[in-house]
Amino acid sequence: ETGVTQSPTHLIKTRGQQVTLRCSSQSGHNTVSWYQQALGQGPQFIFQYYREEENGRGNFPPRFSGLQFPNYSSELNVNALELDDSALYLCASSFTGGAGANVLTFGAGSRLTVL
Amino acid sequence: QQPVQSPQAVILREGEDAVINCSSSKALYSVHWYRQKHGEAPVFLMILLKGGEQKGHEKISASFNEKKQQSSLYLTASQLSYSGTYFCGQGSGGSNYKLTFGKGTLLTVNP
Repeated sequence: ETGVTQSPTHLIKTRGQQVTLRCSSQSGHNTVSWYQQALGQGPQFIFQYYREEENGRGNFPPRFSGLQFPNYSSELNVNALELDDSALYLCASSFTGGAGANVLTFGAGSRLTVL
Repeated sequence: QQPVQSPQAVILREGEDAVINCSSSKALYSVHWYRQKHGEAPVFLMILLKGGEQKGHEKISASFNEKKQQSSLYLTASQLSYSGTYFCGQGSGGSNYKLTFGKGTLLTVNP
């Protein structure tokens, strides 16, 4: 089974620009969650997508948006980049619909640097 | 509120044991444990569910005290490969499932 893949792995942007990060979920998973991990911190929940709709959102402004596609892959878009957006962005896929709590399978992340 | 992990960092020699604790100020539906090595994806270790169900790996054990809203991860006979940052995440439950992670515990295992 394939794991979660994210692209790009690293990117540098300047303040005010826009960025799109991509994620392919693990085979058999139907839900994608995005997390932001600042240096030395734990991952912080941004939002989750299920059935191509946003299904829960953390404390992030509307300039953070996303999409989920019919093949369950996903995009994270960030507009009007700020310096504090510099972080590792982690995508995690899971299966919604089974019994019990969802196990998240994380990708290795996209490292975003905003100058 | 994010869960509080302790200790923040621990250094072991190979073969020694360690306990990592995770405390929450709110009622826990589930606790998830992940390990992240530098530059890599967090890797699932264990889920503990309200009611006592556990899912995880054979060589790692954990406890979940619902009353105290605490969980502990037990690493016995540590190996070099155990090095990394350990995160506990509290599960929200419900259909829009999300995890709120602690700041992590850095574990270093030396030869």
